[in-house]
Amino acid sequence: GQNIDQPTEMTATEGAIVQINCTYQTSGFNGLFWYQQHAGEAPTFLSYNVLDGLEEKGRFSSFLSRSKGYSYLLLKELQMKDSASYLCAVLDSNYQLIWGAGTKLIIKP
Amino acid sequence: ETGVTQTPRHLVMGMTNKKSLKCEQHLGHNAMYWYKQSAKKPLELMFVYNFKEQTENNSVPSRFSPECPNSSHLFLHLHTLQPEDSALYLCASSQAESWGRETQYFGPGTRLLVL
Repeated sequence: GQNIDQPTEMTATEGAIVQINCTYQTSGFNGLFWYQQHAGEAPTFLSYNVLDGLEEKGRFSSFLSRSKGYSYLLLKELQMKDSASYLCAVLDSNYQLIWGAGTKLIIKP
Repeated sequence: ETGVTQTPRHLVMGMTNKKSLKCEQHLGHNAMYWYKQSAKKPLELMFVYNFKEQTENNSVPSRFSPECPNSSHLFLHLHTLQPEDSALYLCASSQAESWGRETQYFGPGTRLLVL
């Protein structure tokens, strides 16, 4: 079966760095997405990786290793507004999006 | 209005009621989706429409009935729901490309409670 694993919840301190991991086992791979979802709001697109390596976008970076079936989202200089759920999703060989359950990130002052 | 909008934002209904959820996208996209989001579970894809034609129906019970009258509007008609159908229902849209890589843009969702 297809599976996306990510931690259920993480806690970090304002100003610090946090890494949210995502491992996947899917039938084929056509890219990996990260979305951010604040409570009661729409998921919003953060990043897309299809090649191995690190993609940086301001305070957020996303890394992919296809051989390991692994990705992480790195958030630097954490701010209180970064408290949200972070969803990992993989596009499989049929171009279907397979979603993880999300990681709830709690930022403490 | 911009992006993807959904109405109502909150809905409480009894098991014998009939209601409809509405989604509208203002992005010029040609694909629209309904998802169910339950607490601590992955997003569940329910229905997909490409160019107004339904292309996916992931074993969704018949008490959920989608309708896509044009590429900008999507409805989810609900009848005789069960309490376990209580969840956040998200609509999304994307620009379907031939190579399949397309970012989905989500609406804020309808929080549904079935009593």
